[in-house]
Amino acid sequence: EDQVTQSPEALRLQEGESSSLNCSYTVSGLRGLFWYRQDPGKGPEFLFTLYSAGEEKEKERLKATLTKKESFLHITAPKPEDSATYLCAGGRDNYGQNFVFGPGTRLSVLP
Amino acid sequence: ETGVTQTPRHLVMGMTNKKSLKCEQHLGHNAMYWYKQSAKKPLELMFVYNFKEQTENNSVPSRFSPECPNSSHLFLHLHTLQPEDSALYLCASSQAGTSGTDTQYFGPGTRLTVL
Repeated sequence: EDQVTQSPEALRLQEGESSSLNCSYTVSGLRGLFWYRQDPGKGPEFLFTLYSAGEEKEKERLKATLTKKESFLHITAPKPEDSATYLCAGGRDNYGQNFVFGPGTRLSVLP
Repeated sequence: ETGVTQTPRHLVMGMTNKKSLKCEQHLGHNAMYWYKQSAKKPLELMFVYNFKEQTENNSVPSRFSPECPNSSHLFLHLHTLQPEDSALYLCASSQAGTSGTDTQYFGPGTRLTVL
């Protein structure tokens, strides 16, 4: 069964304290690995798509990387406004459910 | 309007009410989705429509009834709901609903409370 897990479940950082979030996947025929940011009570906001192992993408303080088994979201010198839940999803070709979402990592950045 | 919009943003209903959630996408996409997000649970896919054809019904109870009149609009009709149906209901769209490479773009959600 295809599955995506994320760790840690929650992470508290001091402002400026860099860290990484992990997304492990077992998705047969993975076509893309997607990262989203979700603020409380709002819809997920798209951040990155990674398509092949070794690929990296950056946006401001965030950098996403992909291996054959997992993806990391590295946060460099975070600010309080980076506080959110970060979701990852594995994309597969499927005539129906083509995304498998992980449970998310809840990030809090303290000033 | 841009992106994916949802109305209403908040809804409180009794167990015997009938209500509808509306979603509209302004991205020119061909696939639309309904998801349910409960506290501390992963996103649960409910329905998928590709080119107005339903391609996924993820064992959703019949008290939830979707409708997709065209590729830009999606509705979720609700009737005789249960308190455990209280959740954030999210609509999303993508270029095609069968590809694992297409990004799904989400609306802001409807916070539903069933009393």
